[in-house]
Amino acid sequence: EAGVTQSPTHLIKTRGQQATLRCSPISGHTSVYWYQQALGLGLQFLLWYDEGEERNRGNFPPRFSGRQFPNYSSELNVNALELEDSALYLCASSLGLAGGYEQYFGPGTRLTVT
Amino acid sequence: AQTVTQSQPEMSVQEAETVTLSCTYDTSESDYYLFWYKQPPSRQMILVIRQEAYKQQNATENRFSVNFQKAAKSFSLKISDSQLGDAAMYFCAYRRGYSGGGADGLTFGKGTHLIIQP
Repeated sequence: EAGVTQSPTHLIKTRGQQATLRCSPISGHTSVYWYQQALGLGLQFLLWYDEGEERNRGNFPPRFSGRQFPNYSSELNVNALELEDSALYLCASSLGLAGGYEQYFGPGTRLTVT
Repeated sequence: AQTVTQSQPEMSVQEAETVTLSCTYDTSESDYYLFWYKQPPSRQMILVIRQEAYKQQNATENRFSVNFQKAAKSFSLKISDSQLGDAAMYFCAYRRGYSGGGADGLTFGKGTHLIIQP
């Protein structure tokens, strides 16, 4: 069974541009989560989607947005990129709304903003 | 808001020995879950073990076990018979349950870098 996949592996953008990151969950999983792992800041929760709806978001500005498609894959968009947006962005998926369901992570997208 | 604290930035252990990684958390919720994740140099986060707050019995997965002390809000990970492949960053994580205020994402500690000495 395929795990969580993310694309691209690496992404290089300049300040002010927009970045789009993609995630495909494990088959059967309806929830997708996005996390940012920035140097010195640790892992921070960004967004959670389930059944096409945004369920919760972390303490990030509105220029971080996303969506979930009918096939449960998800897209994270970061607008007006800033240098401090450089980080590893991890996507995870789980079975659904219950808090106890394990989250399985993808390999991440390394975003570099110059 | 909940917080997770890992007080050991780095730990070192001899191969085949036992090591314990510490984690404390702060929450006012009664329904929650705790997890340990491992992140090797490849950066892929791997779930190691999970504990439900309502369960008194400590979770065990092969060489990995936890000591869950709910009153003390402590959740340590014990790795027995350490192997070279255990070398990684280990993150303790908390997640509120779906009942009550609703679940959200995982809250992670800063991590403990585990070094295995051959």
